[in-house]
Amino acid sequence: KAGVTQTPRYLIKTRGQQVTLSCSPISGHRSVSWYQQTPGQGLQFLFEYFSETQRNKGNFPGRFSGRQFSNSRSEMNVSTLELGDSALYLCASSLLLSGASSPLHFGNGTRLTVT
Amino acid sequence: SQQGEEDPQALSIQEGENATMNCSYKTSINNLQWYRQNSGRGLVHLILIRSNEREKHSGRLRVTLDTSKKSSSLLITASRAADTASYFCATDARNSGGSNYKLTFGKGTLLTVNP
Repeated sequence: KAGVTQTPRYLIKTRGQQVTLSCSPISGHRSVSWYQQTPGQGLQFLFEYFSETQRNKGNFPGRFSGRQFSNSRSEMNVSTLELGDSALYLCASSLLLSGASSPLHFGNGTRLTVT
Repeated sequence: SQQGEEDPQALSIQEGENATMNCSYKTSINNLQWYRQNSGRGLVHLILIRSNEREKHSGRLRVTLDTSKKSSSLLITASRAADTASYFCATDARNSGGSNYKLTFGKGTLLTVNP
């Protein structure tokens, strides 16, 4: 079974631009969660989608948004990029909602650098 | 803020030795999970322990959970150089609205196993 695929692997953007990251979950998984990882803050939960609906949201500004398609693939978008948005963005899929004792399967992330 | 906090932040041992990492959390949980992350990669699920379990084994891994102390420990026996990674505990916690659970990660323990 193919794992979670995130594209692109690396991105370099300038302040003020916007970016879209993509995540393809493991086949059959209906939940996709997004996390931001930085050295200072660690892993911060962004949001979770299940069956195309956002089921949970972290404490991030409205510049961070996401969506999920009918095939469970997900995208997240960050608008008006700031230097502090530089991070590793991780996507994870699971069979059930993440709080339902369902382990997360992570992709290798997208490394975003904002200059 | 982080729900789980790992201790120590960094641990360096020799191959063959045992490694113990601890996790403390703040609120009641349904389950606690441990993940491993190799540098620059995604997280890999290691083990899940439910709140009504006290101990669980998987290969060279042993996890304990003490809900009265709100703490868990991960023991890796007979460590190998390939075990070098960051280890995270994750707990399910209700979001601020109280309606859904989300997995919240600690900042991790960086384990270095020297050959």
